[in-house]
Amino acid sequence: EAGVAQSPRYKIIEKRQSVAFWCNPISGHATLYWYQQILGQGPKLLIQFQNNGVVDDSQLPKDRFSAERLKGVDSTLKIQPAKLEDSAVYLCASSPGPDRGATNEKLFFGSGTQLSVL
Amino acid sequence: DAKTTQPPSMDCAEGRAANLPCNHSTISGNEYVYWYRQIHSQGPQYIIHGLKNNETNEMASLIITEDRKSSTLILPHATLRDTAVYYCIVRVASAGRRALTFGSGTRLQVQP
Repeated sequence: EAGVAQSPRYKIIEKRQSVAFWCNPISGHATLYWYQQILGQGPKLLIQFQNNGVVDDSQLPKDRFSAERLKGVDSTLKIQPAKLEDSAVYLCASSPGPDRGATNEKLFFGSGTQLSVL
Repeated sequence: DAKTTQPPSMDCAEGRAANLPCNHSTISGNEYVYWYRQIHSQGPQYIIHGLKNNETNEMASLIITEDRKSSTLILPHATLRDTAVYYCIVRVASAGRRALTFGSGTRLQVQP
């Protein structure tokens, strides 16, 4: 079974530039998550999709961050314009769906995109 | 979701058992305990979860106290590849669609 794919693996940009990250979840997984992980901290949820609808984007800085999940499969996360404090690893995860009891909480993560904003 | 408390770091000798504690004194009756780990430069990886009974799988064992206010993740024979940050997460299984919330975890260093 293929895992969650993310690209690029690394990205270096200057502040005020824009950047986009791509995620391809595990086939058949209805739920897709984007997490931000700042060095030394645990991952923090940015946005959660159920199929192609947004379930939770309460912690997404909407003035600069946007995300979409086309056709309920792949997803892109964009930052425009980037700030220094956006330097972090951006993790994508997927899970089967919301209605399968405890086993639903098994999230599968990609390796992330490490973003450096200079 | 119940708050969890974990030590920030622990050391373990290679080949010995690693016992990682987690305190969740405010846990509710319908909340599960989940463990994930994150090896350097990788995304978090699911390890195990449980409600009341002790659980074991090919990766680890989970021991939950009778009052459910704390738990211990046991790696029976730690190897250098088990060096990682271990996250203990408590939440209701059928909590609608809310995502997992990660704390800072315990950084386990397995020493040769």
